[in-house]
Amino acid sequence: AQSVAQPEDQVNVAEGNPLTVKCTYSVSGNPYLFWYVQYPNRGLQFLLKYITGDNLVKGSYGFEAEFNKSQTSFHLKKPSALVSDSALYFCAVRDTPYSGGGADGLTFGKGTHLIIQP
Amino acid sequence: NAGVTQTPKFQVLKTGQSMTLQCAQDMNHEYMSWYRQDPGMGLRLIHYSVGAGITDQGEVPNGYNVSRSTTEDFPLRLLSAAPSQTSVYFCASSYSASALNSPLHFGNGTRLTVT
Repeated sequence: AQSVAQPEDQVNVAEGNPLTVKCTYSVSGNPYLFWYVQYPNRGLQFLLKYITGDNLVKGSYGFEAEFNKSQTSFHLKKPSALVSDSALYFCAVRDTPYSGGGADGLTFGKGTHLIIQP
Repeated sequence: NAGVTQTPKFQVLKTGQSMTLQCAQDMNHEYMSWYRQDPGMGLRLIHYSVGAGITDQGEVPNGYNVSRSTTEDFPLRLLSAAPSQTSVYFCASSYSASALNSPLHFGNGTRLTVT
């Protein structure tokens, strides 16, 4: 069965510093990987995805993520944090090929609170 | 574009009451789903649909029913509310159920409290 882990409940970063939010996954086939962001009292918003190709994926709001197959990781990064980046971040994985049946094959991590301090 | 619209935004129920959470999307998306979000639990899939007339169970379907009579609408019914169903509920949609790389579009959620 597939799984995804976000090992940190909370990450604190000073404004202007680089940030990393960690995600590791486990699948039996090839992973499709996603990052979503949730601002207070809002639904999740899609940030970026890895399907195939370049290991470094660029997304919205200056975020990027690095796919590392050997370490089964997909960490979210940004070179210079903004206070407005403070939010809850979710990593998600979908195993492929998808065999169908049961749940839809997309698994979310438990989320990481990112707090950017001025 | 409204995207994914959920109503109501807030609801308080008494144990045993029933209600329907509404979800509508105007993007002509094939796939729609319902999640619940609980502290420390992430998002858990309740039910999903890959097209009108087709629904399937997710990870935590007990106590909930769904139907998909049109492409646009995917209501979630609580049959007999229980305190364990206190949660924030999100509806989501994506372009194609078969395009596994299609990202989800989420509504803004319904915060449900069952007393």
